[in-house]
Parts: sequence; C-alpha cells; structure tokens
Amino acid sequence: DSGVTQTPKHLITATGQRVTLRCSPRSGDLSVYWYQQSLDQGLQFLIQYYNGEERAKGNILERFSAQQFPDLHSELNLSSLELGDSALYFCASSVGNVGGFGQFFGPGTRLTVL
Amino acid sequence: AQTVTQSQPEMSVQEAETVTLSCTYDTSESDYYLFWYKQPPSRQMILVIRQEAYKQQNATENRFSVNFQKAAKSFSLKISDSQLGDAAMYFCAYRRGGATNKLIFGTGTLLAVQP
Repeated sequence: DSGVTQTPKHLITATGQRVTLRCSPRSGDLSVYWYQQSLDQGLQFLIQYYNGEERAKGNILERFSAQQFPDLHSELNLSSLELGDSALYFCASSVGNVGGFGQFFGPGTRLTVL
Repeated sequence: AQTVTQSQPEMSVQEAETVTLSCTYDTSESDYYLFWYKQPPSRQMILVIRQEAYKQQNATENRFSVNFQKAAKSFSLKISDSQLGDAAMYFCAYRRGGATNKLIFGTGTLLAVQP
C-alpha cells in the first residue's frame, strides 16, 4: 500500500458524459501527478500540482482539467468523454517539487467509456 | 525531448535465477533521475529502485540492483534470486532535475518467472 488513495476504482460511463476522479496523496506529500495508461499510448503524464498550484502540464486534452484543493487532495475532471478516453488513470504523489523523490502511485481508476 | 527505450517486450527467468532488464534513454540534461517501477497483475505501480545521475555508485535494494552507465545512457535492472512474485511488467522511467517532475516511461518489459 503506497498510501495514495484513489476513488472510484472503476467507472463505466457513456460517450459525451463527464466524470470526476479523486486522489488523496500520501500524508505529507505536497505534489500530486496524474498519469494515463492506455494500450496504444502507454503511460503518459497529464498534469502536476504542487501545494495547490499547477506546476507542469503534459499531453492533457482541453476536455480534461484538474485541481488540487487546500487539503491537498486532487480531482481530475474528464468531460465530453470519447471511446478513446477509456484507460487506467493513476494519481501519484511525492513529498517535494525538486530532487530525486520517487513518485508513489495510487491503485488507479479504470475508466470505461461505452 | 527525452525518450526512454525498453527493447525487450518480454523476458522469462527460472525461479531462483538472475535476470537483467534493459533500458536506454536519451537526454541532453546532466541532472536527472532514473527509476524502475513494477506493475503486477493488480496494475498497482510500485517503485522498485531509483538512481541519481550524479551518483556513480549503482543503487541496490535487496535483490534488485541497477547497472547505470551514464556515458552509454543505459540503466539496466538486475533481479537476483528471482521469485514467483517478481512476475510483472517492469517500466523504466526518467525524470529530469529541477522543478519539472514528470516521469517519462518506457514501454515496459513483461517478466515471466517459471517455477
């Protein structure tokens, strides 16, 4: 158990819908990262927050957005869902913003868009 | 742009034997970090080992060790005394130094452990 929690574990929805994925980082970690794992794209970085502020953006679609709240939990919002958005979405956290800290991953949310 | 390459899609090892998984990366940065992650069938991503580029000494974590060849941009993972629980997908990952903390992953190597 990494100490990072993600809810829900599984999500099945229809095209065009909107969903919210939630992540709670390890106690004491200020950085939260979101990754998408799909068969065709592999593991891709989406976005990073540090202590409530966005710090880095990857190949995140405009239909996707995220935020980190004062209690440091984070939410990833996916809207106008398409079949290709079906994937495993991971949240990871690390204690700092610089240095060789490892990122610790949550169990992931498996999103299925029908 | 930095890239990570894992050229072995699948590997197999006998229980109790040693196996080495390969990883190469491309970067023009001098400050960076390298990681190996394990993803078992549960799909959980587990940090196995990490290496700072400025350190010449190879990292070791119990049965896991790395062979870091900075000039060759090579970062291989050696698993000694392989166990059935080592069966998983293994991902090599790169992160450059500084405040940009995204991990760049390779495509993974699926390791099977034969009893």
